[in-house]
Amino acid sequence: ELKVEQNPLFLSMQEGKNYTIYCNYSTTSDRLYWYRQDPGKSLESLFVLLSNGAVKQEGRLMASLDTKARLSTLHITAAVHDLSATYFCAVRPDSGYALNFGKGTSLLVTP
Amino acid sequence: NAGVTQTPKFQVLKTGQSMTLQCAQDMNHNSMYWYRQDPGMGLRLIYYSASEGTTDKGEVPNGYNVSRLNKREFSLRLESAAPSQTSVYFCASSEEGQGIYGYTFGSGTRLTVV
Repeated sequence: ELKVEQNPLFLSMQEGKNYTIYCNYSTTSDRLYWYRQDPGKSLESLFVLLSNGAVKQEGRLMASLDTKARLSTLHITAAVHDLSATYFCAVRPDSGYALNFGKGTSLLVTP
Repeated sequence: NAGVTQTPKFQVLKTGQSMTLQCAQDMNHNSMYWYRQDPGMGLRLIYYSASEGTTDKGEVPNGYNVSRLNKREFSLRLESAAPSQTSVYFCASSEEGQGIYGYTFGSGTRLTVV
């Protein structure tokens, strides 16, 4: 059974601080996705990481992938309130089609 | 706008009633998926269809059936709704090749079974 584990599940941070969300998975995959979800909304694609060592950045968010360690990170730099949302990582295993999701990290950025 | 369209957006059912959730995509994607989202559980795969004419069970298929009507449409049916099926349901589609590896999600159907 494929497991995708995110931590932390809840994160409250002050504006201006840095933090990292971790995503571990239990099967071989070279394809990892990060999504953002606002309350009552659908999923918004943030990053698609397609190979070992891939790093992508958009604004204050940077994602990386280490397929050997089966680990992806989402780093938040100088957080602002607008980043408050739930962030999901999702893995597509080499042997399948569908994405397998972590439970999500609920991020609250406070003044 | 191109994308995945789900109907209805909201629905309240009584226990034992049946209903079909509709999903259509206009991106010519081969693969389509149904997920449910429950608080603290992330998204869990109910069924998927890798291509027109094929369907397969996901992690939580019990109580559901699906139909891949054609390449565009993938419906999810609850034959006898139960309170445990209260959830938000998302349909998604995907395509691969030519550097495209994206999954597109619909806006969701919020279902309450009383």
